[in-house]
Amino acid sequence: GDSVTQMEGPVTLSEEAFLTINCTYTATGYPSLFWYVQYPGEGLQLLLKATKADDKGSNKGFEATYRKETTSFHLEKGSVQVSDSAVYFCALHYSNYQLIWGAGTKLIIKP
Amino acid sequence: GAGVSQSPSNKVTEKGKDVELRCDPISGHTALYWYRQRLGQGLEFLIYFQGNSAPDKSGLPSDRFSAERTGESVSTLTIQRTQQEDSAVYLCASSFPGQTDLRYEQYFGPGTRLTVT
Repeated sequence: GDSVTQMEGPVTLSEEAFLTINCTYTATGYPSLFWYVQYPGEGLQLLLKATKADDKGSNKGFEATYRKETTSFHLEKGSVQVSDSAVYFCALHYSNYQLIWGAGTKLIIKP
Repeated sequence: GAGVSQSPSNKVTEKGKDVELRCDPISGHTALYWYRQRLGQGLEFLIYFQGNSAPDKSGLPSDRFSAERTGESVSTLTIQRTQQEDSAVYLCASSFPGQTDLRYEQYFGPGTRLTVT
């Protein structure tokens, strides 16, 4: 069945470092792909999305490109800040409007 | 505009008691979801509503769990005879499948933290 696999965390980086959080998926067809973020003490919120192959979603300096050939949707940011510390979830659209979720990757940014 | 709201924000209950968790989705959102998130873990799908009907209840972990939705609005998740393993954050989300470019986006509430002692 459809599934999402994320890199295990926590990922610990220094401020201004380059970030990559890997996400790969298994799906039939061409699902829409999402990154959600959960800041400490807050609810989940949509960070970015891509709805078809080669689309690039971007928001708040984060980017992710929908790669059909490698079935990936890796999250990247060129220069992270302490405020980016959060848990990041990759998800794909499933049938009946449901999402299939990765396990989440905790990101810790040290000043 | 108003987002998804949930109440209570925190609930501490004794083992064996029943609890009700409430979700108010964004107005006009016809789809509503309940998830469970145990400490340090990902989201566990519980149930999905389209309007007032629940086409997918596959995630409910046992018959102690039930949910209903009325008026295509408020939803209540009920856990009967709570157990310690029910302790988690219960998240509600809503979406508007009718608008193509937003169809699969889910908007989350802040969650209810349930602690069973």
